[in-house]
Amino acid sequence: SQTIHQWPATLVQPVGSPLSLECTVEGTSNPNLYWYRQAAGRGLQLLFYSVGIGQISSEVPQNLSASRPQDRQFILSSKKLLLSDSGFYLCAWTPVWGGDIQYFGAGTRLSVL
Amino acid sequence: GESVGLHLPTLSVQEGDNSIINCAYSNSASDYFIWYKQESGKGPQFIIDIRSNMDKRQGQRVTVLLNKTVKHLSLQIAATQPGDSAVYFCAEKPETSYDKVIFGPGTSLSVIP
Repeated sequence: SQTIHQWPATLVQPVGSPLSLECTVEGTSNPNLYWYRQAAGRGLQLLFYSVGIGQISSEVPQNLSASRPQDRQFILSSKKLLLSDSGFYLCAWTPVWGGDIQYFGAGTRLSVL
Repeated sequence: GESVGLHLPTLSVQEGDNSIINCAYSNSASDYFIWYKQESGKGPQFIIDIRSNMDKRQGQRVTVLLNKTVKHLSLQIAATQPGDSAVYFCAEKPETSYDKVIFGPGTSLSVIP
């Protein structure tokens, strides 16, 4: 069966520090991968998605970047965090064969202080 | 577009009553709709989906109704239980979108014991 892993689960970082959040999917090949951010008490904002290795689509101009160095690995990064980067970051995947149901990881709660 | 900047509407329901969560979608070209449940501190989980060629679909204790005329979707939960307390998101997939879905703002459901 397929599983998705995100880490770390929680992270407290100072303003101006770098960020690296990792997401990996097991049990499938060539998934579509997504990064979302969710502010407290609000909806889901799509940040990036990827349909293949090295292919990244950015949805919102911001202080973040994404990379997909391997088929089942998706990384969210920042060189210098801002206070406004605080939030709940969710990774999700869909099957390459066209399934539209997104399967989410457990999320990373980031607090920038 | 995505309503990520709005605070979540809330719904309080007595345990054992039926819950109805509503969602207005934006794109008349959307042909696939999904409901997700997000418990506190976790990632969203798939509940039920419906295609635009249907107006009703039933699952275990849940029913989704689709009214394409007024672009309205609803999720009905029968005999609501404390474990149903969560945020519920609807998502729509426009037929022209190959890789992304559009999430609604979400509704917070609180079950009163």
